[in-house]
Amino acid sequence: GAGVSQSPSNKVTEKGKDVELRCDPISGHTALYWYRQSLGQGLEFLIYFQGNSAPDKSGLPSDRFSAERTGGSVSTLTIQRTQQEDSAVYLCASSLESRQTQYFGPGTRLLVL
Amino acid sequence: KQEVTQIPAALSVPEGENLVLNCSFTDSAIYNLQWFRQDPGKGLTSLLLIQSSQREQTSGRLNASLDKSSGRSTLYIAASQPGDSATYLCGTQGAQKLVFGQGTRLTINP
Repeated sequence: GAGVSQSPSNKVTEKGKDVELRCDPISGHTALYWYRQSLGQGLEFLIYFQGNSAPDKSGLPSDRFSAERTGGSVSTLTIQRTQQEDSAVYLCASSLESRQTQYFGPGTRLLVL
Repeated sequence: KQEVTQIPAALSVPEGENLVLNCSFTDSAIYNLQWFRQDPGKGLTSLLLIQSSQREQTSGRLNASLDKSSGRSTLYIAASQPGDSATYLCGTQGAQKLVFGQGTRLTINP
């Protein structure tokens, strides 16, 4: 069956611009996670959704980052006024329920010039 | 705050050898521990999940063990093959999120 998909696969933007990253989880998965992977920091948690609500936003690095999930399915991560330090691979994962195996998408590579 | 450490950072072995990758964590209050592999430029592929009440899980040539009290997990790979070359990551799951180690980059030489 279809796995987790993310778009775009690559995004190059100029400093100060806003970007939107999309995640399509596996159908029927109630839990959705966003992580960020960078050379210096490894894999870091950003936000967790259960259904459409986000009970854990503790990993969002600043108020320039926000995310939403609609219809218990697609999620969008938005970064406003991008900075060079936002350059990283943004990974989305979903699981059937929380605390179960997480299935990861291929990621979006973001480069802020 | 959970801290996860993976040693060694890199490992290179000849094809056919059995090998062990190590993962240690500081907070034993976990629900599960998950092992993943990551190929260059790709996302993570789930390998094994061990519940906190379990001691080990097996899938094919892979066997993962968990000792919660000592804060350690190992991933045993039997009869390694060049296709096993990848970065292996372990992650502990507490309330919701996974906390990852830095990974072990494994190279299997033909």
